[in-house]
Amino acid sequence: SAVISQKPSRDICQRGTSLTIQCQVDSQVTMMFWYRQQPGQSLTLIATANQGSEATYESGFVIDKFPISRPNLTFSTLTVSNMSPEDSSIYLCSVHSDRVNEQYFGPGTRLTVT
Amino acid sequence: SQQGEEDPQALSIQEGENATMNCSYKTSINNLQWYRQNSGRGLVHLILIRSNEREKHSGRLRVTLDTSKKSSSLLITASRAADTASYFCATFTSGTYKYIFGTGTRLKVLA
Repeated sequence: SAVISQKPSRDICQRGTSLTIQCQVDSQVTMMFWYRQQPGQSLTLIATANQGSEATYESGFVIDKFPISRPNLTFSTLTVSNMSPEDSSIYLCSVHSDRVNEQYFGPGTRLTVT
Repeated sequence: SQQGEEDPQALSIQEGENATMNCSYKTSINNLQWYRQNSGRGLVHLILIRSNEREKHSGRLRVTLDTSKKSSSLLITASRAADTASYFCATFTSGTYKYIFGTGTRLKVLA
């Protein structure tokens, strides 16, 4: 299995500011995914990030609000821009293992916007 | 909505009883995975069942998959208080290469 770390683990931010979340994997992976989990809800896929290409965003999510970088096969960042209280959620990154066709998750970043 | 449906939304049982959760999805899949999440923490992968499999066991977990009905069930036998958590199914489709999560079931096991 892959070991995934995220930074920061939690943050409290002012509305109108931006936060960049980092995701580091201990092995090279092709596909990385970013999810949002609003309080008491399930996970919603924000975007899929491939190394060397633009991220693919799901309906309802746009690059201006959630820019993603994927500079190499072990690292990705998600920025939550111009935050509002509605952005308060847990943000999780995950990777897909082609070898076993399983998905592994980071511990998540708990964001509170005041 | 991109999400699958799970039922029940919430389930409360006594320790020692069995818990059954159901997941329905909308499109053809390559596999379906079940996850556990304890109180807002990270997701723990429980079990994966491929589209050509009908049943799988892992310890006290039993998963079934009916691709004709586009549904799966997770059975936890002899439940324990430590099983209290939210449980999610997630379907994977290689055509779109993404995972879609169900709405989740909140399980509470009373000691």
